Parts: sequence; C-alpha cells; structure tokens
Amino acid sequence: DTAVSQTPKYLVTQMGNDKSIKCEQNLGHDTMYWYKQDSKKFLKIMFSYNNKELIINETVPNRFSPKSPDKAHLNLHINSLELGDSAVYFCASRPTGVNEQFFGPGTRLTVL
Amino acid sequence: GQQLNQSPQSMFIQEGEDVSMNCTSSSIFNTWLWYKQDPGEGPVLLIALYKAGELTSNGRLTAQFGITRKDSFLNISASIPSDVGIYFCAGPYTSGTYKYIFGTGTRLKVLA
Repeated sequence: DTAVSQTPKYLVTQMGNDKSIKCEQNLGHDTMYWYKQDSKKFLKIMFSYNNKELIINETVPNRFSPKSPDKAHLNLHINSLELGDSAVYFCASRPTGVNEQFFGPGTRLTVL
Repeated sequence: GQQLNQSPQSMFIQEGEDVSMNCTSSSIFNTWLWYKQDPGEGPVLLIALYKAGELTSNGRLTAQFGITRKDSFLNISASIPSDVGIYFCAGPYTSGTYKYIFGTGTRLKVLA
C-alpha cells in the first residue's frame, strides 16, 4: 500500500560514476517532484514534472537529468558524481490543485 | 532570493510541555504549509493555511497565518516523545504556483 516509493534507499558510489534513482507513486497524482536535502537538512526543490512534462527546473547542474516515462514514475539520473552530490534525495507527488505533497522515504546518496 | 527562516533552530523540551515555533519571510506568502519530518523519513503535511489571520488545529497542533502574511506560527500542546522530529514551514515561491520553498527547520527533541 506504499504511496510514494523510491529505490534504492541507500546508494554509495565513487566520484565520477553515473547513477540513477527511481521513484514511483500509486496515488494517481499528475505532478511529481525531486528535492535535495543536504547535511544541514535544508530541503531544496530540483525538478517538477506534470503529466510527464517538465515544469520546474531549478538551478541544478546539467549532470542531473530527470526522466518521466509516465505520470506515475519520475527517475533521476546523475552523471559524473561529485562529493557535493552527497545528500538525501526525496521524491514527492501532488494532486492537481492541492498544495499537499506526499513524500517518498528518501534515497541517501553517498559519494566517496 | 527568498528565504524562510525558522526559529528556534532546535529545542529540547520536557514531555508535557507546550512548544512554540515560528517561520518568517522577507516577502508575502498567500499559503503557509507546516510539515513534520520523522528521522529517516520524508516530510508529512501537518497543517495548511490559506488566509491571513487564519488559525487551524490538527489534534494537539495549532498553526496560525500571520496577519502581515510574512510569518506563520506552529504550537504543539502537551508534547509527547513521538513529537520528536524536524518541523518545516513551506510556501509557494510565487502565489498561484506549485513550486515550493521550505524553511530552515526547527528540530524538536522531547525528553521523557
């Protein structure tokens, strides 16, 4: 009965590698988000998709590329990982016309 | 750029005590949202506020939309150990959009 799920939960990788994080929501929402939470717990929006279309693209290095194959899925691919990419990445979804976002459990990315 | 500052940054309280925290902005917001993040999980919406002066409760939690529209307050009455976590205020960057900025967070620790 999981609402917003993310895989993997933990990801440890070397600098320079390419990795992907996946997100799925079974709530039927049209809008999905990626957020980054740093070590000080600051939560910052990265991207948002509405019905597979990119609608928000914050000042994020172009090494980060989101992809939405359908409105229930939003993946995040990161190329050439850097130490500063270490953080917890949260996926969220939101129903149309409502401010409440439903967050996934997060993916803790550690770049060594 | 826009920033939401929360105060206090962290607090230790005794079980049974009441807690107050606030969130201030340099610009006007038309929507205030309060989220709680439990350790190791994603944020969960507690209360949403849509009108200046509005006071809304959710169990032991009460939130207020400041009349200047530049601040909001969250009170927790008779705290219990499970209230531990990080409390975030949030709002849309621009009125009518669904691109959100999150506050700096208030970390609450409850001593039994």
